[in-house]
Amino acid sequence: AQKVTQAQTEISVVEKEDVTLDCVYETRDTTYYLFWYKQPPSGELVFLIRRNSFDEQNEISGRYSWNFQKSTSSFNFTITASQVVDSAVYFCALRRDTGKLIFGQGTTLQVKP
Amino acid sequence: NAGVTQTPKFRVLKTGQSMTLLCAQDMNHEYMYWYRQDPGMGLRLIHYSVGEGTTAKGEVPDGYNVSRLKKQNFLLGLESAAPSQTSVYFCASSAPGGYEQFFGPGTRLTVL
Repeated sequence: AQKVTQAQTEISVVEKEDVTLDCVYETRDTTYYLFWYKQPPSGELVFLIRRNSFDEQNEISGRYSWNFQKSTSSFNFTITASQVVDSAVYFCALRRDTGKLIFGQGTTLQVKP
Repeated sequence: NAGVTQTPKFRVLKTGQSMTLLCAQDMNHEYMYWYRQDPGMGLRLIHYSVGEGTTAKGEVPDGYNVSRLKKQNFLLGLESAAPSQTSVYFCASSAPGGYEQFFGPGTRLTVL
């Protein structure tokens, strides 16, 4: 079965705190891709990162970093020094053949000033 | 570049009415998708297309039909709307392979 689980439904932090959003996936495919998308209150879906199954290097982009571990089937997302503008729903997704995306349920992040 | 556009942005239907949602992309992408987003359930794939003239069922296809007559357009039809189809609908497109999907702004549909 192909599945993405984001166990944290809602997270609330105070500005400048670090926060990690968890993502656990299940797949039998040997080649697959993992994604994170952000959905701000305005409703659009914004692509953040793509990672293929052969590349376990962690990635850092400004205040964002991603930790991909095949051994635990996890692809976690950390925001360092969170800001109010980071408040959004964040989705982790698994891409299979023909490009179909399987989304997690999403984690709502609220960053309070 | 407009990216992915969706028409209309909002719509209210009565039970049993029909309508068509239009998705257009100007990135020359082969693949196109229709998702629905419901509270607490993430996005679920309704139908998708891997090229002009092709369509396939996704996770939740019942009650919907699609057509891809032109590469740049992907239409989603509801023949007889039901309240359970109240949702936000997103269209997306992508290149073949493991590339990211680009999403439209969404259509908020309410069925009374």
